[in-house]
Amino acid sequence: AQSVTQPDIHITVSEGASLELRCNYSYGATPYLFWYVQSPGQGLQLLLKYFSGDTLVQGIKGFEAEFKRSQSSFNLRKPSVHWSDAAEYFCAVGDLSGGYNKLIFGAGTRLAVHP
Amino acid sequence: DAGVIQSPRHEVTEMGQEVTLRCKPISGHDYLFWYRQTMMRGLELLIYFNNNVPIDDSGMPEDRFSAKMPNASFSTLKIQPSEPRDSAVYFCASSFVQGTEAFFGQGTRLTVV
Repeated sequence: AQSVTQPDIHITVSEGASLELRCNYSYGATPYLFWYVQSPGQGLQLLLKYFSGDTLVQGIKGFEAEFKRSQSSFNLRKPSVHWSDAAEYFCAVGDLSGGYNKLIFGAGTRLAVHP
Repeated sequence: DAGVIQSPRHEVTEMGQEVTLRCKPISGHDYLFWYRQTMMRGLELLIYFNNNVPIDDSGMPEDRFSAKMPNASFSTLKIQPSEPRDSAVYFCASSFVQGTEAFFGQGTRLTVV
């Protein structure tokens, strides 16, 4: 069965430091992969997505993610974190049965940013 | 477009009452999804529609839950009767054709007391 694992429940970084959020997936075919961000009391906003092609994907707000098929990973990175990046981040895989739009989410990683 | 619009934003109801959550998808999108978010279970898909037709309702927890999409611009999720364990944030999302991103509404926070 398809699944997404985000090993880190909470991460705290200092403002200006680099960030990497981990995501591992289990999926039988070529996955459609997404990273969403959720600010408190808000809906989910798409940061970036991977469907095919270049394995390094650029997103909004300075985020990027790298698809590594050999490691079944799709880690999210940012070179320098801003205080406004504090939020919860969700990795998701699109299920083929739903036209890849049926999303299976990881449990999320809550990011705190220290000044 | 104003994005996916959900109403109400907050709902507090007593156990046993009927609750109806509403969603207006982005115009032109032909997929509509209902998700539920809880601390214990995270984000889970309840049901999704394609061209107003329910395709997969395997995530609907029990018969107390029902969803409809009478036209391309409106969907409802109904809980009757409601129970305290239904307390959660319910999200609606829509997308255009397969393989494209889903846009989420701001959610309805439901509290059943």
